[in-house]
Order: sequence, then C-alpha cells, then structure tokens
Amino acid sequence: GQNIDQPTEMTATEGAIVQINCTYQTSGFNGLFWYQQHAGEAPTFLSYNVLDGLEEKGRFSSFLSRSKGYSYLLLKELQMKDSASYLCAVKNDYKLSFGAGTTVTVRA
Amino acid sequence: NAGVTQTPKFRILKIGQSMTLQCTQDMNHNYMYWYRQDPGMGLKLIYYSVGAGITDKGEVPNGYNVSRSTTEDFPLRLELAAPSQTSVYFCASSQAPPPGQGILDPPGQFFGPGTRLTVL
Repeated sequence: GQNIDQPTEMTATEGAIVQINCTYQTSGFNGLFWYQQHAGEAPTFLSYNVLDGLEEKGRFSSFLSRSKGYSYLLLKELQMKDSASYLCAVKNDYKLSFGAGTTVTVRA
Repeated sequence: NAGVTQTPKFRILKIGQSMTLQCTQDMNHNYMYWYRQDPGMGLKLIYYSVGAGITDKGEVPNGYNVSRSTTEDFPLRLELAAPSQTSVYFCASSQAPPPGQGILDPPGQFFGPGTRLTVL
C-alpha cells in the first residue's frame, strides 16, 4: 500500500521561509515529485528528487532521504502568489501516488 | 501546443445518468492518466494507459471505464452516475524517458485544467 503524509496547513509571512515535510511508506520508489496547485487550477510541476540530497531551483528547494522515507520542500522569500496547495507525490514505475496536500497561506 | 485539454469544464448530472469526460493531448505522450480529487484530499488514480490499446486500473476504478484507441485521446466514461462520483477530475499525460536516460530526467506528468462534476 501507499502512505504519504504531509501537514494540512501552514501559514507564513511574506518574505519568510517555509518548509513543508513529506514522509512516505510505499511499495516501490522511483522518485519523488512536488507539485503546486492554486485553488481551482491543475497541479503544476515544481521539483523532482530521485537521489538523496538537495535540489535547488531558484526560490524553491527540495530534499530527499530515501533511507528515512522523507522529503521536504523549502520555499524561500515567500511571495503572496506562493499561497497555494503543495502536493508531495511518490513515483512507482510510471504511476504517481499523492499526499493530501499542504495549503500554504502567505500573509502580508 | 495546447498541451492537455479536457471537456467539459463543468457538468451537473442526475443519479443514474451517464457521461463521457474527454481528454486530448498533443504532445505525443505515451502515458495518460485519469485522477479524481475530492476536497482536502490528494489525487487518486482512477485508470491509466501506457499506450494506444492498453489500459489498466488505478486505485479507484469502480464506476468508471476508459478506452485508448489513439495516442491523443483518453476518454473516461461514467455509466451510472452516483453522488460519490462528485469530484474534480484531472487528466494527465507523460512521456516515457528514452532508453538509458532513465532516472535523472524526470518524466513529469502534465495536467489538464480539470472537469468539475456534480452528481445530484
């Protein structure tokens, strides 16, 4: 079975840093994705980790530890437009299993 | 490229009615997927296809059917709509990585805009 856990909600101030944790227990692992989903819209790809360590893409970074079944998404220099849901997804072969998502609210 | 397109955007059905949700992609992707997303929940895989003529069940296939007669199209059929099928439906597609390129090149999934379905 697939079990992917992430916090339901987080709130932070504009300009701050927020870290969204994701833990997983899955029957297979071929990589971990983070998607951003604004309300009423489709998910869009943010990052991908398949090897342990940190991947940095501008203001967004993602970390993976396969031995711990753990990943985090780091959002730096938060902007109002970063208010969205962030979905952690584990890839097994060519299928994705998603967590329930973390709603991030950025306040001025 | 239009990417992944879905129709309709919104639909209200009565219990027992049937309908087909359309999904088309113009990226020549092999893999296509149907998900449903309930409020406050993650996406659940309904059906997927690895190429024309090949489909398989995901986590929550009951009450749905699919077909894949062409690479571009992957329609989802609801035969007897039930209130439990009220949800937002997303279609997605991805390309298989070239042989040998594998793990470091993420075959990310591209999502359509979604269909919001209400069954009353």
